[in-house]
Amino acid sequence: GDSVTQMEGPVTLSEEAFLTINCTYTATGYPSLFWYVQYPGEGLQLLLKATKADDKGSNKGFEATYRKETTSFHLEKGSVQVSDSAVYFCALSDNTNAGKSTFGDGTTLTVKP
Amino acid sequence: NAGVTQTPKFQVLKTGQSMTLQCAQDMNHEYMSWYRQDPGMGLRLIHYSVGAGITDQGEVPNGYNVSRSTTEDFPLRLLSAAPSQTSVYFCASSYSRAGSYEQYFGPGTRLTVT
Repeated sequence: GDSVTQMEGPVTLSEEAFLTINCTYTATGYPSLFWYVQYPGEGLQLLLKATKADDKGSNKGFEATYRKETTSFHLEKGSVQVSDSAVYFCALSDNTNAGKSTFGDGTTLTVKP
Repeated sequence: NAGVTQTPKFQVLKTGQSMTLQCAQDMNHEYMSWYRQDPGMGLRLIHYSVGAGITDQGEVPNGYNVSRSTTEDFPLRLLSAAPSQTSVYFCASSYSRAGSYEQYFGPGTRLTVT
């Protein structure tokens, strides 16, 4: 079946540091890939997405590129802020079955001033 | 739009009790899902629905029932609560947008079973 593997956390960075959170996936077919963010006490919300190979998703300074050859979708940000502290989930959706998404275990990011 | 709403936000049950977690969406999304979130285990799919009257099991369906009588509502029923069902439950809805299916999540229900 489909699976998503994220780098283990937690990750602690100083403000303005560079962020990378690794994500690799296993899937049959051609899934869409997503990064979701969860702030404390809230539900998940979409951060960015990519629907086909070599697509780059971007939002709020975060970027991730859909790499089919390495089955990866790593999240990056050049300069993190304290407000970026949250849990980040990599996910894929099987585009033949819209109700089913597969999520990674989540990576907790803490940014210190 | 209210988006995806869930009630209650918090609930404490005793072992063996039953209850229904409510979920509603006002975006006319065809697809709805229930997940549970446990520390270190990400989100696991319990049940999902691809439209009114159609439901299917996810990864961890045991102990839960669902029904989808309308497009808007997708309640999750715990038949006989067990401590292993202590978790945070999220409802989500989705639709096809340019061939991809991003999920819209509710705020969650934190359930404790004693």
